[in-house]
Amino acid sequence: GENVGLHLPTLSVQEGDNSIINCAYSNSASDYFIWYKQESGKGPQFIIDIRSNMDKRQGQRVTVLLNKTVKHLSLQIAATQPGDSAVYFCAENQAGTALIFGKGTTLSVSS
Amino acid sequence: NAGVTQTPKFQVLKTGQSMTLQCAQDMNHNSMYWYRQDPGMGLRLIYYSASEGTTDKGEVPNGYNVSRLNKREFSLRLESAAPSQTSVYFCASSEAGQTGVYGYTFGSGTRLTVV
Repeated sequence: GENVGLHLPTLSVQEGDNSIINCAYSNSASDYFIWYKQESGKGPQFIIDIRSNMDKRQGQRVTVLLNKTVKHLSLQIAATQPGDSAVYFCAENQAGTALIFGKGTTLSVSS
Repeated sequence: NAGVTQTPKFQVLKTGQSMTLQCAQDMNHNSMYWYRQDPGMGLRLIYYSASEGTTDKGEVPNGYNVSRLNKREFSLRLESAAPSQTSVYFCASSEAGQTGVYGYTFGSGTRLTVV
């Protein structure tokens, strides 16, 4: 089946920088997207979501951008902190049944 | 504020043994899910239950069975464990409505090793 993919498996940034994590999806019928954060030894935690009728949504220090033309999703983290170090997954909803997850990007923040 | 509770947290099985992974949620969610997570593979859907009384196969259902015991509980059973089933298993729940699936709440995972 079609899966959500991520452009880079790892991303290293300095504390205080802005981070951008990218994700490409292949199913143009997907109508709901989520970003999750997973810290070592824990289950994924919800960060932010966006529906296909929007192209941008902002949370606290995070912004999700959706470009349906090129089927691209990104997560922007402002003023990245060491506590942001984790694996980040994007997920899409196909056919309203269950979320399909990408392979994840490991974000490393150095101080 | 328990959310989604998975038991056990760790388990070692011998090839051919059986076991059941338990999952319970206290958020009155309709939908529940089982995923497995392997290095470099992300999370892959094993089975899901859109509502009490229904279950459906996901991407990787072979070697597993599930039971939606009631609205709160969704168990995953390995009838004859194989080394390829060594993985971290996550249960999740969500309030899925007519407009689709909403964000999941995940449990903390069960780390299973089959030797």
